[in-house]
Amino acid sequence: GNSVTQMEGPVTLSEEAFLTINCTYTATGYPSLFWYVQYPGEGLQLLLKATKADDKGSNKGFEATYRKETTSFHLEKGSVQVSDSAVYFCALSDTGYSTLTFGKGTMLLVSP
Amino acid sequence: DTAVSQTPKYLVTQMGNDKSIKCEQNLGHDTMYWYKQDSKKFLKIMFSYNNKELIINETVPNRFSPKSPDKAHLNLHINSLELGDSAVYFCASSQVADRTYEQYFGPGTRLTVT
Repeated sequence: GNSVTQMEGPVTLSEEAFLTINCTYTATGYPSLFWYVQYPGEGLQLLLKATKADDKGSNKGFEATYRKETTSFHLEKGSVQVSDSAVYFCALSDTGYSTLTFGKGTMLLVSP
Repeated sequence: DTAVSQTPKYLVTQMGNDKSIKCEQNLGHDTMYWYKQDSKKFLKIMFSYNNKELIINETVPNRFSPKSPDKAHLNLHINSLELGDSAVYFCASSQVADRTYEQYFGPGTRLTVT
């Protein structure tokens, strides 16, 4: 079956530091890959996505590249802000009715 | 305009009670979902409905009964609530026919069973 593995958190960074959150996946088909963000007390928001190998998703300074050869979709940001503090979820969607399989989430804490 | 809305936002109830959570989407999507997020933030699919038909039921106890009166609504009724049902329940929707696979989530309903 499908699965997503994320690095465990919390990840604690100072403002303007470089961020990487690792994500690897196992899937039987050719999934679409997503990063969702959950701010405290809120629902999930789609941050970025990639639908095929070598696609790069980007949004709000965050980027992730779909690497089929390493089955990875690592999230990066060059300079984090305090407002980026949230829980980040890597997810995949296989064909069919596009049910999302989530990783366990990585909490990011950014201090001023 | 809220794209995916849920009511109530908070629900506190006692063991053994029956409760419902409502979800509505105004995106015109053809598929809706219920997810459960546990205390460790882990998210797991519960149900999926496509055009009002149940498509996915992921080993959820039959005390949970989803109902979709139309494509824009997906409600979740829970009978005989147990302590382990305490969680945040998220509704989501997507347009599967477009093959974009993006899902849009509601704000969640925090259920506390005492």
